[in-house]
Amino acid sequence: NAGVTQTPKFQVLKTGQSMTLQCAQDMNHEYMSWYRQDPGMGLRLIHYSVGAGITDQGEVPNGYNVSRSTTEDFPLRLLSAAPSQTSVYFCASSYSKVSTGTMITDTQYFGPGTRLTVL
Amino acid sequence: RKEVEQDPGPFNVPEGATVAFNCTYSNSASQSFFWYRQDCRKEPKLLMSVYSSGNEDGRFTAQLNRASQYISLLIRDSKLSDSATYLCVVTGGTSYGKLTFGQGTILTVHP
Repeated sequence: NAGVTQTPKFQVLKTGQSMTLQCAQDMNHEYMSWYRQDPGMGLRLIHYSVGAGITDQGEVPNGYNVSRSTTEDFPLRLLSAAPSQTSVYFCASSYSKVSTGTMITDTQYFGPGTRLTVL
Repeated sequence: RKEVEQDPGPFNVPEGATVAFNCTYSNSASQSFFWYRQDCRKEPKLLMSVYSSGNEDGRFTAQLNRASQYISLLIRDSKLSDSATYLCVVTGGTSYGKLTFGQGTILTVHP
């Protein structure tokens, strides 16, 4: 299994340009998410999806769109890039399980990240 | 108040030392708790889940206190390879896939 893959690894954009960050997973996970990581801020959730055809907003969704037409793919679109979107973007996928008790656990697997600079 | 708070450190400890990190969370409905490890310029990777009864994995011990809403990670006999950022992660009560991350605690283990 390749796990979670992201392309591109690095990208430089000019203000106002649009682009799509690609994310794919081959683990048949239902749940996929996009995060951005900025210094001193930790990882913040942008959008997430609980299955094909279902998406929802996270903590910082403005300026980003997502779609989930297949289980495997979860692309993130920047509509009109701004310098504030300079960040490292991580895609993640996860499964859930029910333990012998009542607890439900999720292990998220992250892609290697895309380092985006907006000039 | 942040949903998940950690002391960012940095913690600088010698090899062989024992070091402990704490993390507090604000949502009492949180269901699942984790520690992730992130090496410089790499993606986060799961270190261990945290259970109410406490759990141990080799040199690492995780504890959860639901009443006080805090999570701890204890590392014994620190190795140079333990140097990394440790992320406290909490999932919400209604959405399995939605994780909330603390900002991370930086650990440096020196010879």
